[in-house]
Amino acid sequence: GAVVSQHPSWVICKSGTSVKIECRSLDFQATTMFWYRQFPKQSLMLMATSNEGSKATYEQGVEKDKFLINHASLTLSTLTVTSAHPEDSSFYICSASGTGGYEQYFGPGTRLTVT
Amino acid sequence: QKEVEQNSGPLSVPEGAIASLNCTYSDRGSQSFFWYRQYSGKSPELIMSIYSNGDKEDGRFTAQLNKASQYVSLLIRDSQPSDSATYLCAVNIRGGGNKLTFGTGTQLKVEL
Repeated sequence: GAVVSQHPSWVICKSGTSVKIECRSLDFQATTMFWYRQFPKQSLMLMATSNEGSKATYEQGVEKDKFLINHASLTLSTLTVTSAHPEDSSFYICSASGTGGYEQYFGPGTRLTVT
Repeated sequence: QKEVEQNSGPLSVPEGAIASLNCTYSDRGSQSFFWYRQYSGKSPELIMSIYSNGDKEDGRFTAQLNKASQYVSLLIRDSQPSDSATYLCAVNIRGGGNKLTFGTGTQLKVEL
């Protein structure tokens, strides 16, 4: 149980374009989803927290107009990186938690390369 | 003081030995604690959760929690090369809603 999928697993895009990443909870209802970014050999960095049907809460220093998050249902959240630049190249990972606990289950991650 | 602290390692242990990973946290009111394993290039995987003082065992893994001393540890018995990974300690910090605060992780290397 507690399976989270992400799509795509990797993406290459040109500078200035936008990229959408999907995160789905496959076998449970995710009341909260989290988006993280991780640069090579560095720690997880929480970008934002989203609750189904509500606006996402962004961490300090994360541009909400650049990283658009939508949590439209209890099983789907999307992260759109708008006007991507090479410095946005990173490993983006979503996680999800259900009701009644703080456990987070991570998706497999999306590796974004902006050229 | 960091909210969740771990020794970055690497911690090297021989195959078959017990690996001991430690984590300290700053918020005395924290109630929920987790250990994640992250292989290089992969996303974290939940391996243990613990909420009460004492030990919790699951297969070769034992999580230990001491709220008075504000530390949580993970023991891996009969360590295998496949256990080589970075182990992340995560804590639900009081006042942080349902977010988890992660330590920077301890790299474990199990040597043949």
